[in-house]
Amino acid sequence: GAVVSQHPSWVICKSGTSVKIECRSLDFQATTMFWYRQFPKQSLMLMATSNEGSKATYEQGVEKDKFLINHASLTLSTLTVTSAHPEDSSFYICSATNRGVAKNIQYFGAGTRLSVL
Amino acid sequence: RKEVEQDPGPFNVPEGATVAFNCTYSNSASQSFFWYRQDCRKEPKLLMSVYSSGNEDGRFTAQLNRASQYISLLIRDSKLSDSATYLCVVGFEGSASKIIFGSGTRLSIRP
Repeated sequence: GAVVSQHPSWVICKSGTSVKIECRSLDFQATTMFWYRQFPKQSLMLMATSNEGSKATYEQGVEKDKFLINHASLTLSTLTVTSAHPEDSSFYICSATNRGVAKNIQYFGAGTRLSVL
Repeated sequence: RKEVEQDPGPFNVPEGATVAFNCTYSNSASQSFFWYRQDCRKEPKLLMSVYSSGNEDGRFTAQLNRASQYISLLIRDSKLSDSATYLCVVGFEGSASKIIFGSGTRLSIRP
């Protein structure tokens, strides 16, 4: 149990285009979903916290108009990188917490490697 | 000061050795503690939760010292497959269930 699927696993796009990343909890209802970004040799940095049916809470320094998060159901959250630029190239990972199970344990998707040319 | 601090390593030890990692956290309101491992270019995977009473899972032992705000991970009889980056993670109670990652400690086990 507690499987999180993230899609796509790898994206290469041109500068200026938008990229949508999906995060799904396959066998549980996700109370909360999280979006992280990881640059090479650095740790995961939380970008935003997403609760179903409400607006995402963004961390300081993360542009909400650039990184659009939609959490329409208890099993799906999406992150859209709008007008992507080369500096947005990174490893984006989502995670989810399982409603009713141990708090604070997050289950991670396999990540999306974004390369912006 | 970082909220969660770890020695980045790398630790390079022979197979069969015992290795220990330490981690300190700055927020005394932290409520939950974990060790995750992350393999190169992969997502983090939960290794174990950490409790004040200490806990052991096979070759892995984790300890928490709330007074010193210090967490440790001990790996005994290390295997080649233990090579990875080990992430110290601290969580906070509340509806957000937010967690903070340390920058990770790289471990390399050599034959």
